[in-house]
Amino acid sequence: RKEVEQDPGPFNVPEGATVAFNCTYSNSASQSFFWYRQDCRKEPKLLMSVYSSGNEDGRFTAQLNRASQYISLLIRDSKLSDSATYLCVVTVGGYQKVTFGIGTKLQVIP
Amino acid sequence: EPEVTQTPSHQVTQMGQEVILRCVPISNHLYFYWYRQILGQKVEFLVSFYNNEISEKSEIFDDQFSVERPDGSNFTLKIRSTKLEDSAMYFCASSGTLTGGTGELFFGEGSRLTVL
Repeated sequence: RKEVEQDPGPFNVPEGATVAFNCTYSNSASQSFFWYRQDCRKEPKLLMSVYSSGNEDGRFTAQLNRASQYISLLIRDSKLSDSATYLCVVTVGGYQKVTFGIGTKLQVIP
Repeated sequence: EPEVTQTPSHQVTQMGQEVILRCVPISNHLYFYWYRQILGQKVEFLVSFYNNEISEKSEIFDDQFSVERPDGSNFTLKIRSTKLEDSAMYFCASSGTLTGGTGELFFGEGSRLTVL
């Protein structure tokens, strides 16, 4: 089983739609969870951290389910500028090993 | 805003040659990483480095690879005897401060390596 699994997509959604991505992780000792965004041929950049209590940042909501070992990202009112690849990131052992999922590609269509 | 810088942005080399990719992490960060991304594929962990030694490495990081922090600022990745399949974007990242930090990795813009 892969350490971090994501549906690679692509997800093609119209502007204004709500879209959700899930990610599962295999190591129950995983400690910290993040969503990163990567634009084509660019470096990954942090979108948001994922907390046990769930967290929201504007149109973006992230949730963590430790029992089922998955995290989710919800994007409301999609914008064209949201088109990117969304990377699920999991850390084990603090800062020692930070593992990326394959990423889910989102294309927001006018 | 502090940033991670990488050089060169693009390097073309012949198969079998040695390559050194350089990174200057954010100055008060304690943890340093190298990742690679083959075109169209996932971001793959290579190695993490802390307190002047490797703290974790992946199965990709074999004897062909080495890392060094030769002074207080640079963090280098050396690839000996490059192979065609080493062609990829190599990202350096840094994280963590003495006061803890958020766990966020800050990435450089990457060094694209093309092996011919």
